[in-house]
Amino acid sequence: NAGVTQTPKFQVLKTGQSMTLQCAQDMNHEYMSWYRQDPGMGLRLIHYSVGAGITDQGEVPNGYNVSRSTTEDFPLRLLSAAPSQTSVYFCASSREVNYGYTFGSGTRLTVV
Amino acid sequence: EDQVTQSPEALRLQEGESSSLNCSYTVSGLRGLFWYRQDPGKGPEFLFTLYSAGEEKEKERLKATLTKKESFLHITAPKPEDSATYLCAVQAGQAGTALIFGKGTTLSVSS
Repeated sequence: NAGVTQTPKFQVLKTGQSMTLQCAQDMNHEYMSWYRQDPGMGLRLIHYSVGAGITDQGEVPNGYNVSRSTTEDFPLRLLSAAPSQTSVYFCASSREVNYGYTFGSGTRLTVV
Repeated sequence: EDQVTQSPEALRLQEGESSSLNCSYTVSGLRGLFWYRQDPGKGPEFLFTLYSAGEEKEKERLKATLTKKESFLHITAPKPEDSATYLCAVQAGQAGTALIFGKGTTLSVSS
């Protein structure tokens, strides 16, 4: 049972480049979220999904897109990378609305 | 605005020295309060969920409690392996199913 798998683990981008952070879970969880973690800021919600085909914005959605075509996958797209998007990104999933989330191991992104 | 505040930011303990971490929250319609542990370079690891005031949960040396305004994570006789950052999060009605996190308390336990 792999849980929540995030790829890549590390990435360096140039300003203006686009990329997709992958997130996959094998627990058949309906609820999935993307967070970014910055020093002194804590974890902040970017986008979340309550099921396939349903997504919504979190606290800091600007510059990011998501889609949920399957229960298993929830990719996060950076449209045009900016240095302010340098962060550690975590994907998380949960089986029920108010149940504990399982987090992936994170993607460390640097935008230069 | 929903808000979660954790204190202290950092806590240094000697092995065996019990203490408590605080998580105070201001939310509309609390659906659940969560505690996570995060080790350096890793994702948060789920510890507890508390749903209503008066509820308590325990796991090894950790005990979480909940009131209408705050939650405490009590650490009894800590060991060096308990060193980590402890995160508190709430799930509130207005935010749907997503979690709102505090900034965490970094615990260091020395032998």
